[in-house]
Formats: sequence, C-alpha cells, structure tokens
Amino acid sequence: AQTVTQSQPEMSVQEAETVTLSCTYDTSESDYYLFWYKQPPSRQMILVIRQEAYKQQNATENRFSVNFQKAAKSFSLKISDSQLGDAAMYFCAYRSARTSGSRLTFGEGTQLTVNP
Amino acid sequence: NAGVTQTPKFQVLKTGQSMTLQCAQDMNHEYMSWYRQDPGMGLRLIHYSVGAGITDQGEVPNGYNVSRSTTEDFPLRLLSAAPSQTSVYFCASRHTPSSGNTIYFGEGSWLTVV
Repeated sequence: AQTVTQSQPEMSVQEAETVTLSCTYDTSESDYYLFWYKQPPSRQMILVIRQEAYKQQNATENRFSVNFQKAAKSFSLKISDSQLGDAAMYFCAYRSARTSGSRLTFGEGTQLTVNP
Repeated sequence: NAGVTQTPKFQVLKTGQSMTLQCAQDMNHEYMSWYRQDPGMGLRLIHYSVGAGITDQGEVPNGYNVSRSTTEDFPLRLLSAAPSQTSVYFCASRHTPSSGNTIYFGEGSWLTVV
C-alpha cells in the first residue's frame, strides 16, 4: 500500500518570503500522480498543483512550484512571495495511475501560518 | 456549473440513528468517492464508484453503505451512527483519464454523533 508522509506539522513564513513544505511517499509503482491541496478554515479542498510521475520537468503554477525527486520519492512544494491568503493546511496526495477512480492517499498535512 | 454538491452541510445525530449524506455532480463524471477527515489528519477513503452500478470499498468502509444507481448521485449511508463517525465528509468526482486528472471535491459535510 502506498503511504504519504508530511514531516512538518506546522510551518510559518513571513509575508513576501519563500517557504518549502516537505512530502515523501512510498510506492512500488512507476506511474502515478502527485498533488498538493490547500485547505483553508472553510475546509474546502483546493487543488494547488499536480505532477505526473512520467514528467521530469517540475510543475509550476504561478507562485507555486514543486521539486519532484522520483528516485528519492520526494515531492516538496515551494511557495514564493507568500501572501496572507496562503495561510491554510496543505496536504500532499498520491494517486496511482493504475487504480481507477479518484482514489487519493493523503499525508497528515502541514499547517502554514503567514505572518504580516 | 454547480460541480459537486453535498447535503446536508451540517448534521447532528444521536448514537444509533441512521442517515444519508447526499452527493450529486453535474459534470457527467464516471468516478465518485467518499472521504472522511478527522481532526489533524488527511482525508481517508471510505467507498468509491467507477460508474453507475459499480461500487467498492476504500480504506475505512465499516459502518457505511453506498450505492450508485445513476451517474450523477452517490449517496453515503450511515447505518447506525457511532461517536467515532464524527467527522467531516467529502465527496469527490473525476472524469475519464483523457480529460485530465483533476479531482473535484464538494464543500464537505460536518457530522457530529452524540
């Protein structure tokens, strides 16, 4: 079974600075997808960024980028120019390309605080 | 476009009562699933469906039933509510792989069992 581990329960960053959230995962598969979701206090799950394992290039979405290290099974999220609205719980998630449906395996989450 | 709609948003149940959480999507997605989120934890898969008439168990299925009679609807039934089922429940759906891998979540249903 796949597992996802987020080793940082809490992180904080000053507004306008850069922060990196860590995620590692364990799988025996070679084809899969990785995601970062943002969950604000409203509890809504918002997709931040996704990475296909077969792609060597790291995904980027505006101020959000990932460092995908397939051999090390590491998938970190970098938030540049942090804004107050970035404060939320962030979840790393894994989905096998072999399994059908929307089956995601989530990490425990990292609570990000942005200080003004 | 309503996306994934869950009802009710909030519910308080007494131990032993039964209820159904409703989930509907208007995107013609084949894949639907239910997750629960407990305090300080990520989401865990309860049940999922790959199409009408097809359902399967996820990671934490005990105490829950599902059915998928139509593509649009995927209700989650609590048979006899227990305090351990106090949680926030999320319904999610996804289209076929050719349309990308985006999974759409509902806004969550907050359930308290007393």
